[in-house]
Amino acid sequence: AQSVTQPDIHITVSEGASLELRCNYSYGATPYLFWYVQSPGQGLQLLLKYFSGDTLVQGIKGFEAEFKRSQSSFNLRKPSVHWSDAAEYFCAVVGQAGTALIFGKGTTLSVSS
Amino acid sequence: DGGITQSPKYLFRKEGQNVTLSCEQNLNHDAMYWYRQDPGQGLRLIYYSQIVNDFQKGDIAEGYSVSREKKESFPLTVTSAQKNPTAFYLCASSSRRQGIRETQYFGPGTRLLVL
Repeated sequence: AQSVTQPDIHITVSEGASLELRCNYSYGATPYLFWYVQSPGQGLQLLLKYFSGDTLVQGIKGFEAEFKRSQSSFNLRKPSVHWSDAAEYFCAVVGQAGTALIFGKGTTLSVSS
Repeated sequence: DGGITQSPKYLFRKEGQNVTLSCEQNLNHDAMYWYRQDPGQGLRLIYYSQIVNDFQKGDIAEGYSVSREKKESFPLTVTSAQKNPTAFYLCASSSRRQGIRETQYFGPGTRLLVL
């Protein structure tokens, strides 16, 4: 069965420092992958998505993610974190039935000044 | 502005009571979804609908029911059979032009609490 693992439950990064959030997926075929962000008590907003082609995808708010098939990973990166980036981040993969998303358990990002 | 609305923002349920969460979208999307979010658990799919008058169970459908009588609306009923309903409920919708590759757009959520 498909699954998504986000190994880090909580990460704290200093403002201005770089960020990498990890995501590993389990899927037999070519995966369709997404990163969403959620502010406290709010819905989810799409940051970026990968379907095929260039393995480095650019998203909103200065985020990017790199698809690595050999490592079954889709890690999210940002070169310089801002305090407003503090939120919960979810990685997701399309389920094999092709009908809905399977989400990881999320990584909470805190930004220190 | 196009978007997804969920109401109410907070909902309180008494023992043995059924409650209904509203989800409305004006994005002209065919597909709609309900997810449940618990702390540290991510999002889990309750029900989804790809077209009016049709819906399918997700991973945790027990104790929930839905209807899809209109394209714009996908209400979720939490029945008394759901023994642990306290959670944050998120509704989403997507176009079907490119199938599941279409982005799912999420509403602001409803927090359900048990009295």
